[in-house]
Amino acid sequence: EDQVTQSPEALRLQEGESSSLNCSYTVSGLRGLFWYRQDPGKGPEFLFTLYSAGEEKEKERLKATLTKKESFLHITAPKPEDSATYLCAVVSSSNTGKLIFGQGTTLQVKP
Amino acid sequence: EPEVTQTPSHQVTQMGQEVILRCVPISNHLYFYWYRQILGQKVEFLVSFYNNEISEKSEIFDDQFSVERPDGSNFTLKIRSTKLEDSAMYFCATTWGQNTEAFFGQGTRLTVV
Repeated sequence: EDQVTQSPEALRLQEGESSSLNCSYTVSGLRGLFWYRQDPGKGPEFLFTLYSAGEEKEKERLKATLTKKESFLHITAPKPEDSATYLCAVVSSSNTGKLIFGQGTTLQVKP
Repeated sequence: EPEVTQTPSHQVTQMGQEVILRCVPISNHLYFYWYRQILGQKVEFLVSFYNNEISEKSEIFDDQFSVERPDGSNFTLKIRSTKLEDSAMYFCATTWGQNTEAFFGQGTRLTVV
């Protein structure tokens, strides 16, 4: 069964304190791994797509990397406005493009 | 910037009533999805829709649920007889390709009382 597990569930950082979020996945053939940001009461907002091991994507203070079993979302020098829940999701070869989500990591950045 | 639009943003309904949630996809997107998120839980897939038919549905998507694209622009999710456990945020998502990034609407918060 396809599965996505994110850790930690919650993370508190001081402003400027860099860290990484983990997404481990078990799928029957990875077609794509996606990172989203979700603010309370809002829909997921697309951040990155990764398709193959070794791929990296960057946007402002965020960098996503992918291996054959996991992905990391690195946050460099975070600011309070980076506070949100970060969701990881995969599309596997056994389905029709549906996303299988992890439970998310809730990040709080204190000034 | 193109976006997925969902209406209403919040709906309160009595148990046993029918509700219709509406979505306007991004115009050149071909694949449409409904997801739901119960408070405090992960986002769950409900159904995918392509070429005017359902391509996949989850165990959650039972006979009480239906989807359609009535006029070539709107994409709707109908729940025929709502239950208390249907209370959740419902998100519409669309993609232009099967494995490309999905863009989500802001959601409809459904409260069944």
